[in-house]
Amino acid sequence: GAVVSQHPSRVICKSGTSVKIECRSLDFQATTMFWYRQFPKKSLMLMATSNEGSKATYEQGVEKDKFLINHASLTLSTLTVTSAHPEDSSFYICSAREFLPRDRSTDTQYFGPGTRLTVL
Amino acid sequence: DAKTTQPPSMDCAEGRAANLPCNHSTISGNEYVYWYRQIHSQGPQYIIHGLKNNETNEMASLIITEDRKSSTLILPHATLRDTAVYYCIANSGNTPLVFGKGTRLSVIA
Repeated sequence: GAVVSQHPSRVICKSGTSVKIECRSLDFQATTMFWYRQFPKKSLMLMATSNEGSKATYEQGVEKDKFLINHASLTLSTLTVTSAHPEDSSFYICSAREFLPRDRSTDTQYFGPGTRLTVL
Repeated sequence: DAKTTQPPSMDCAEGRAANLPCNHSTISGNEYVYWYRQIHSQGPQYIIHGLKNNETNEMASLIITEDRKSSTLILPHATLRDTAVYYCIANSGNTPLVFGKGTRLSVIA
């Protein structure tokens, strides 16, 4: 299957600083990428959808000024957590949908390995 | 996306087949049934998806009932590495995947 990478895999930062997480589709082009967040023992929650070259669409309750998303190319999306606070500590997971489906059916979302953010 | 219902947890003996059920009684005609799994502290892994016909790949088989109201994911020979949370999602492919609580499968030696 298609491969999605994330960097960094783990980050610890001080309260008030900003953290950037990169998401790359390694062997396919992704017009659409998604960012999810997951708290311990909970399911994934969709934060936003980003399309290459346009502004991201945020889910209700997600602050767009706090979680800046940039989808600059067909293989790269970034999530910047601005002025991070301890309550932003979470597991952030990106996902990419392939531009040209490899098979006869619908597009498939592939997920990155996740980034664990700890804000002290 | 149509709502899906899965048992919260299941156990399976190592080497035996694991059959994970999913109910999606309100699935619409253009929605596929997707299965993903999430091993602890990792991103979800795509397993398989289907529309009407049964599907099989190197990881699993997907059996969809004729009325499409339910499906079963089959791991033919479960190993300890198959211990994970398994998510069944109904989705048209044009919208983001929405995750429910899934089934926590424990494979026991």
